[in-house]
Amino acid sequence: DGGITQSPKYLFRKEGQNVTLSCEQNLNHDAMYWYRQDPGQGLRLIYYSQIVNDFQKGDIAEGYSVSREKKESFPLTVTSAQKNPTAFYLCASSILSGETSNQPQHFGDGTRLSIL
Amino acid sequence: RKEVEQDPGPFNVPEGATVAFNCTYSNSASQSFFWYRQDCRKEPKLLMSVYSSGNEDGRFTAQLNRASQYISLLIRDSKLSDSATYLCVVFSGNTGKLIFGQGTTLQVKP
Repeated sequence: DGGITQSPKYLFRKEGQNVTLSCEQNLNHDAMYWYRQDPGQGLRLIYYSQIVNDFQKGDIAEGYSVSREKKESFPLTVTSAQKNPTAFYLCASSILSGETSNQPQHFGDGTRLSIL
Repeated sequence: RKEVEQDPGPFNVPEGATVAFNCTYSNSASQSFFWYRQDCRKEPKLLMSVYSSGNEDGRFTAQLNRASQYISLLIRDSKLSDSATYLCVVFSGNTGKLIFGQGTTLQVKP
């Protein structure tokens, strides 16, 4: 069954700690995205990648890092520099149409990150 | 001004009612439009794409008005299971990114 898998579902971070959220897809999608959602707010783009070994900053990239070594995988690291990391993190993927992504995105079921 | 704006609601309607949501966008170069549904504490799921000529999927009708820069979602014969947050999503050709509205919450009551 094709889809996007995020893990873990829940994650707790201690002060000064880096944590990594996993995102894997077997949809053969070229593009992958990381969003953050805070209560009562829309999704905000952290990073995105349209091709292996390349990624772009989104609107709120500070305090986060990503890698895209394989097409299927796009892990997100929340670093200690991110002072307010408590949020719902969503990974998404989509096919690419031409040079830009205007296809709908499909989401994983998210990771809830909290500070200890 | 936000790039994509929605009335957060909540919209409280009885079962069987017809309800409509609007969403406005600021970038006239926007190319693609979508409605997503998000249940409480779950991921967003694509409800429908929005085409220039308007499109219908069962009880759901989506329309696009490029001149006024808004899209709408109409839900007929509301069901209890329609209770969710509906996200308006716009693809920005300038930036190559999807922009999400904050969502409109619908509560359908028995």
